[in-house]
Amino acid sequence: GQQLNQSPQSMFIQEGEDVSMNCTSSSIFNTWLWYKQDPGEGPVLLIALYKAGELTSNGRLTAQFGITRKDSFLNISASIPSDVGIYFCAGTSGGSYIPTFGRGTSLIVHP
Amino acid sequence: NAGVTQTPKFQVLKTGQSMTLQCAQDMNHEYMSWYRQDPGMGLRLIHYSVGAGITDQGEVPNGYNVSRSTTEDFPLRLLSAAPSQTSVYFCASSRGQALYGYTFGSGTRLTVV
Repeated sequence: GQQLNQSPQSMFIQEGEDVSMNCTSSSIFNTWLWYKQDPGEGPVLLIALYKAGELTSNGRLTAQFGITRKDSFLNISASIPSDVGIYFCAGTSGGSYIPTFGRGTSLIVHP
Repeated sequence: NAGVTQTPKFQVLKTGQSMTLQCAQDMNHEYMSWYRQDPGMGLRLIHYSVGAGITDQGEVPNGYNVSRSTTEDFPLRLLSAAPSQTSVYFCASSRGQALYGYTFGSGTRLTVV
């Protein structure tokens, strides 16, 4: 199956700092999705990207669909304690509508 | 709307036992999938369905069966539980083309001893 490399694996930051994470693939993707998982819950969709170069914001979150269609980035500005969780990238490629997920970035925010 | 409902939330099985993890959605979504989540491994696709009566294997299907007799329900069956199946299982559903992202249930935490 498709491989998504998500980095970093974990981040420990101070409240108020900005956060950046990314996801790369050796294959072209048609759609990039970013999810957040709170402890003990299922992932929740944050942002969906549908075309190369697209830049989309959701509050303090901004995500971009890379020009090469092989990567995507998620930025969180002015982090707060409730940003804690695991962030997953996911993508669909070829004719499949079933997303492949990255291994996640675990974010811890210190007050 | 309840969204995606998974039951049970927690389960402990003995090796060799069988059980069914239930998943139901009330959003009339065509696509449904089962994922397992293990530490450091992300979400791995077990089985998926693109509509009632249609199922297919994902990345890690061995030891699991599924069926999709209705649009709403997509149960996952463990035929003979093994310790390697200890994991958190998530069911998810989506509208037709899945471009809108999946809606996930809250998960079933399964321990096989």
